Amino acid sequence: AQSVTQPDIHITVSEGASLELRCNYSYGATPYLFWYVQSPGQGLQLLLKYFSGDTLVQGIKGFEAEFKRSQSSFNLRKPSVHWSDAAEYFCAVGPGSWGKFQFGAGTQVVVTP
Amino acid sequence: NAGVTQTPKFQVLKTGQSMTLQCAQDMNHEYMSWYRQDPGMGLRLIHYSVGAGITDQGEVPNGYNVSRSTTEDFPLRLLSAAPSQTSVYFCASSSGQGALTEAFFGQGTRLTVV
Repeated sequence: AQSVTQPDIHITVSEGASLELRCNYSYGATPYLFWYVQSPGQGLQLLLKYFSGDTLVQGIKGFEAEFKRSQSSFNLRKPSVHWSDAAEYFCAVGPGSWGKFQFGAGTQVVVTP
Repeated sequence: NAGVTQTPKFQVLKTGQSMTLQCAQDMNHEYMSWYRQDPGMGLRLIHYSVGAGITDQGEVPNGYNVSRSTTEDFPLRLLSAAPSQTSVYFCASSSGQGALTEAFFGQGTRLTVV
């Protein structure tokens, strides 16, 4: 069965500092991996996705993620955060059978001045 | 570009009432699904559909019904609302398996059951 773990429920970071969000997955085959962001009161927006090839994936808003098969990880990074990056971030794996996605519990990011 | 449209955005129900959350997509996606989002639990799959006339249960289906009579629409019915169904509900669609697929989400419905 596929599963996704986001170990950090809440992260506080200063504006301009770097950010790394952790994601570990369990999947029987080569995973398709995703990071979504949810701003307050909004739906989920895709930041980036990994299917195959280069293990370092670039996304929107200056985010990148690195796939490490040996560690079953797909961590999200941003070199310098902006106040507008305050949001909840979800890692997801899929689609599995019948188009289903599995989501992590999410990491809430707070950006301080 | 409408994408995935959910209505209503907010709803308050009394315990025992029934209602239908609407979801429509205009991308001709084969797969559609409903999730509920609760604090600390991420998104949990309620029901999903792989095409018109085909639906199945997800992780937390109790208290909810779905049907899919067209490719575009996938309504979620609460049969007899309970306070435990207070949550934010998201509808999503995707084109299926393959390198270009991802889940597209609606803006969500915030439901409160009192």
